[in-house]
Amino acid sequence: ILNVEQSPQSLHVQEGDSTNFTCSFPSSNFYALHWYRWETAKSPEALFVMTLNGDEKKKGRISATLNTKEGYSYLYIKGSQPEDSATYLCAFIPGTASKLTFGTGTRLQVTL
Amino acid sequence: KAGVTQTPRYLIKTRGQQVTLSCSPISGHRSVSWYQQTPGQGLQFLFEYFSETQRNKGNFPGRFSGRQFSNSRSEMNVSTLELGDSALYLCASSLGTGHEKLFFGSGTQLSVL
Repeated sequence: ILNVEQSPQSLHVQEGDSTNFTCSFPSSNFYALHWYRWETAKSPEALFVMTLNGDEKKKGRISATLNTKEGYSYLYIKGSQPEDSATYLCAFIPGTASKLTFGTGTRLQVTL
Repeated sequence: KAGVTQTPRYLIKTRGQQVTLSCSPISGHRSVSWYQQTPGQGLQFLFEYFSETQRNKGNFPGRFSGRQFSNSRSEMNVSTLELGDSALYLCASSLGTGHEKLFFGSGTQLSVL
């Protein structure tokens, strides 16, 4: 059973704060790492798919980095807004045609 | 283009019954995967179908089964329902290489009484 861990479990920040979360995964085999945002009463929505060590992805105020050798990925949100409130999930794939294993997520709440 | 469609949206069953959930993927997507979400748990992988073949299976009992049709639509069946099967069941579709993102449906909220 693969261990994909996310920290912190939850986070409460003020509007305008920048924040970051961590996703840890086994470093022995790596194929891809996904990040998803899951807002309440909606479906999970893909943010990034990362495949190469050293990858950096950016979408607006959200960015992510990947270190496959040490088995972690960071998700950064710059200048948090209330609409960023959601659970952020990472999912790890160790090999081609392998299943995705999701972490338990980081729940972010942004208040005014 | 149309998104991933799951039916029904809500379902209430009693213990011992069986249930079938349906998932229609985005046109052109050959992979459909199913997940269970319960309070306090992350998304637990049930199984994945790719071109009508089960490609991966999670750690769930044999009461949970699925299939995929030639048009890529997929069904998930749970037999002999237990109270612990109450959960949100999500399906997701993708091209199936692992390098592209999943597109999720709205889910089926199953309540077992």
